[in-house]
Amino acid sequence: GAVVSQHPSRVICKSGTSVKIECRSLDFQATTMFWYRQFPKKSLMLMATSNEGSKATYEQGVEKDKFLINHASLTLSTLTVTSAHPEDSSFYICSASGLAGGRDTQYFGPGTRLTVL
Amino acid sequence: DAKTTQPPSMDCAEGRAANLPCNHSTISGNEYVYWYRQIHSQGPQYIIHGLKNNETNEMASLIITEDRKSSTLILPHATLRDTAVYYCIVRVLPTQGGSEKLVFGKGTKLTVNP
Repeated sequence: GAVVSQHPSRVICKSGTSVKIECRSLDFQATTMFWYRQFPKKSLMLMATSNEGSKATYEQGVEKDKFLINHASLTLSTLTVTSAHPEDSSFYICSASGLAGGRDTQYFGPGTRLTVL
Repeated sequence: DAKTTQPPSMDCAEGRAANLPCNHSTISGNEYVYWYRQIHSQGPQYIIHGLKNNETNEMASLIITEDRKSSTLILPHATLRDTAVYYCIVRVLPTQGGSEKLVFGKGTKLTVNP
């Protein structure tokens, strides 16, 4: 089946620092990648959609200057949380959309747990 | 907003079939029904999807009513590892110049008991 990886799986940082999260599609080319955020006991909320080689489209209420997204290739997207604060602590999940295993759907990464102290 | 309604929680005995319902009364004719599940602290896992015909794969079966206003995900022999939150999602088709989106509702927390 289609595999999407994220790195790191867990990160703890100090308030004011920036954190980069990588999302890779390992065995298929992802024309579109998505970034979600999930707070405890809540559902996933879409933050932004990125297409390879173009600017990301952010959902309403998501600050594009705070959550920088780069989608440099068909297998890699990165999310940088700039000047992180405790309220940015959350579970960040990426997904990659593409044709894999005969299915055209979204495949999710394992998530990155961010804790900002 | 999610276009689906699911019960917040369900219980099932190990080895029994788990039947998870979903209402999507406003679904459009060319929208698919997708099911994902999320085991605690992991990313969602694709299970199955369908348009109007019933579907079956190695994980589950999907039964869609003839009017397409509701569907049921069936796990034929639930195991303890099937304990998870199950999301029923209507796939929003790409708009002009846009991209596919999956809008997650609150899902159903399925607990499989020994």
